[in-house]
Amino acid sequence: DGGITQSPKYLFRKEGQNVTLSCEQNLNHDAMYWYRQDPGQGLRLIYYSQIVNDFQKGDIAEGYSVSREKKESFPLTVTSAQKNPTAFYLCASSEQGQGLYGYTFGSGTRLTVV
Amino acid sequence: DAKTTQPTSMDCAEGRAANLPCNHSTISGNEYVYWYRQIHSQGPQYIIHGLKNNETNEMASLIITEDRKSSTLILPHATLRDTAVYYCIVRLYSGGGADGLTFGKGTHLIIQP
Repeated sequence: DGGITQSPKYLFRKEGQNVTLSCEQNLNHDAMYWYRQDPGQGLRLIYYSQIVNDFQKGDIAEGYSVSREKKESFPLTVTSAQKNPTAFYLCASSEQGQGLYGYTFGSGTRLTVV
Repeated sequence: DAKTTQPTSMDCAEGRAANLPCNHSTISGNEYVYWYRQIHSQGPQYIIHGLKNNETNEMASLIITEDRKSSTLILPHATLRDTAVYYCIVRLYSGGGADGLTFGKGTHLIIQP
């Protein structure tokens, strides 16, 4: 079945360490997105990519980095510069021209920094 | 994008219709109303969207007022599995839609047995 796979589901890291969250999709979607969700809050856009080798900052990009070397993959690195990295991270993808109803989300990675 | 206002939480009895309101008084003529829902610790799931006319699909119905300043999502026969946070989003349909969308806090719908 087609979909988005995020791994791992739970991740623990020590403060000051960089950590990379994986996001893979087999939907042949052009666009991919990373969101952050804090308890009781909505989703905030971190980065998005409309095409391979191109990406744009979202609303809260500081302390994060991404790459888009392959259409299927859009990993997110949470760097030590991110002041408050503990959160639920969601990856999504969409096909160009599908508008909002074409968004498919992964099941998320819950990152805890201790 | 127009701002939306939703109640923080709502309860509904299992088997009854759940009616979730959304106010979007600053909506412009070419902005659509979209609804997503998020079950606990999962990614959001698309439900339905509309511009002016009422819409219905296998999951829900969307009623948009004539002045388009508010809308209601209706789950006709709510089940326990419908317990989730429901997000109302108003946005231009850009065709590509590839610059991301913004979710507010939504309405936490709790279906009571």
